[in-house]
Amino acid sequence: SAVISQKPSRDICQRGTSLTIQCQVDSQVTMMFWYRQQPGQSLTLIATANQGSEATYESGFVIDKFPISRPNLTFSTLTVSNMSPEDSSIYLCSAGQGEGYEQYFGPGTRLTVT
Amino acid sequence: GESVGLHLPTLSVQEGDNSIINCAYSNSASDYFIWYKQESGKGPQFIIDIRSNMDKRQGQRVTVLLNKTVKHLSLQIAATQPGDSAVYFCAENREAGFQKLVFGTGTRLLVSP
Repeated sequence: SAVISQKPSRDICQRGTSLTIQCQVDSQVTMMFWYRQQPGQSLTLIATANQGSEATYESGFVIDKFPISRPNLTFSTLTVSNMSPEDSSIYLCSAGQGEGYEQYFGPGTRLTVT
Repeated sequence: GESVGLHLPTLSVQEGDNSIINCAYSNSASDYFIWYKQESGKGPQFIIDIRSNMDKRQGQRVTVLLNKTVKHLSLQIAATQPGDSAVYFCAENREAGFQKLVFGTGTRLLVSP
């Protein structure tokens, strides 16, 4: 299994600012993903981070709001732009490796927007 | 969306009992399923997976059953321990060949000593 770390683990940000979350995997992986989890709720896929090409966004999520980078096979960033209190959530990075589609998750970044 | 708000279904069991957590999935074309355990303040932890060409798969103290006829998935935990207390999510891969998971609403398991 892959070991995934995220930075920061939590942050409190002001409305209108942006925050970039980093995700580091301890081994090269084919695919990386970003999810959002509202407190007490399930996970929703934001986008698939593609190495060497633009991320693939799910319905309801757009690149201008959640730009994503994937410069190599072990690292990705998610930026939450022009934040509002509705963006307060836990943001989770995951990595997929192997033909069994397993995904392993990082510890998450807890974001509070005031 | 998949969420039902803050009131997760809860399963309360005694230590040593067997637990069964159920999940209904929506897409008959889903080809792969995963169970995750999420403890408070942590990311989801992979427990066990199963492909759609299987009915049952066993791990250490856990068994996943897949009933494609009624689109139902279950996770059985044998000899449940207090450390098993967490929220459990099922996830389905709805697009064959793509690693795009859709998560269920989750079930909170509470294990009493």
